[in-house]
Amino acid sequence: AQKITQTQPGMFVQEKEAVTLDCTYDTSDPSYGLFWYKQPSSGEMIFLIYQGSYDQQNATEGRYSLNFQKARKSANLVISASQLGDSAMYFCAMREWDTGNQFYFGTGTSLTVIP
Amino acid sequence: NAGVTQTPKFQVLKTGQSMTLQCAQDMNHEYMSWYRQDPGMGLRLIHYSVGAGITDQGEVPNGYNVSRSTTEDFPLRLLSAAPSQTSVYFCASSPYRATYNEQFFGPGTRLTVL
Repeated sequence: AQKITQTQPGMFVQEKEAVTLDCTYDTSDPSYGLFWYKQPSSGEMIFLIYQGSYDQQNATEGRYSLNFQKARKSANLVISASQLGDSAMYFCAMREWDTGNQFYFGTGTSLTVIP
Repeated sequence: NAGVTQTPKFQVLKTGQSMTLQCAQDMNHEYMSWYRQDPGMGLRLIHYSVGAGITDQGEVPNGYNVSRSTTEDFPLRLLSAAPSQTSVYFCASSPYRATYNEQFFGPGTRLTVL
């Protein structure tokens, strides 16, 4: 079974609007972390936001927030007030602390911001 | 503080050739890993290491070897290149077994095998 599932291969959003990128995960490890990375067309991987499995509140970093629903095993990324520079691939990832410490990545969502 | 560095940035090989992709980090991270990125498939783990002298296989290890003689360096060797190994390769590092530990990525190596 896939550890990380991103079901939206491509998304479009109007500039200044908010957008939600979906991510679901699968783990039986009670201790894990969830990450979102951005990959612009230049190719580098940029860390955006982190949520720990024991964190009580949703993580926020500037215009990025993570909608963490533990019972549903979802960790959606919300980008508020989209900007043209937000056009990129977005990857959701998970790290299980107790079983190997490997990172697992989803297949990514390509976001295009329309002026 | 250079972070994670990878060389070369681009490489073209002929089928059957061997080569080593270099990766180094200066953050004293125990955990290092290699991924390949192919269109529509995200990042797939090739090999990883949790410290000098310790390596393990990831999801797609066939055709690749690694070693970790120092904390800083984690080279990836292609034994006999095949066209299926055409991909973008990322090296990454992070602390190991810390409460919060994102991975830091190198800039990537774009490899073409003819």
